[in-house]
Amino acid sequence: GEDVEQSLFLSVREGDSSVINCTYTDSSSTYLYWYKQEPGAGLQLLTYIFSNMDMKQDQRLTVLLNKKDKHLSLRIADTQTGDSAIYFCAESKEGGGADGLTFGKGTHLIIQP
Amino acid sequence: GAVVSQHPSRVICKSGTSVKIECRSLDFQATTMFWYRQFPKQSLMLMATSNEGSKATYEQGVEKDKFLINHASLTLSTLTVTSAHPEDSSFYICSARAVAPGNTIYFGEGSWLTVV
Repeated sequence: GEDVEQSLFLSVREGDSSVINCTYTDSSSTYLYWYKQEPGAGLQLLTYIFSNMDMKQDQRLTVLLNKKDKHLSLRIADTQTGDSAIYFCAESKEGGGADGLTFGKGTHLIIQP
Repeated sequence: GAVVSQHPSRVICKSGTSVKIECRSLDFQATTMFWYRQFPKQSLMLMATSNEGSKATYEQGVEKDKFLINHASLTLSTLTVTSAHPEDSSFYICSARAVAPGNTIYFGEGSWLTVV
């Protein structure tokens, strides 16, 4: 079956870069997403990447995809206290079908002063 | 950007009663909406997928008679928890698929349901 895995916690110092990693097992995954969830809130889409891309950059965020190893990472440059949240990696198949997303358990990003 | 509104954000109901949660896409049409449930410190679990004008598709283990889903229009889906019990207390999140690059799925803010 499908499975998405990520580390449960990541602790970084303010100003450093954060790298959150994710692995998935379904080779037919076409879209891969990173969502941010702040305490008691819904999910905020941060970015997504097509499976035929290797990298996508959006301001402080850089997404790297290694399709061969089924490994996805999210790098947050100059991490700030406002980046403290849970980050979910998710994958879905190509559009057309009404499938939802398969999520990892989320990585809790902890910012140290 | 796209916004998905979920209402109510918090609700407390008595055991045995029913409660309805609404999910609206505010500035886009969503032919497909999804309902998730999140237990504390756990990931999201897909409960069901709803397509406008047709019956919802439920994931294995989700009781369709207990969690009634209606997708009456391209901008509104509702989840009704019938005969609620304390174990139904959870964080319910809806999402809507936009017709956009990447078939991007946008999420609502979630609804906290507490059954007492």
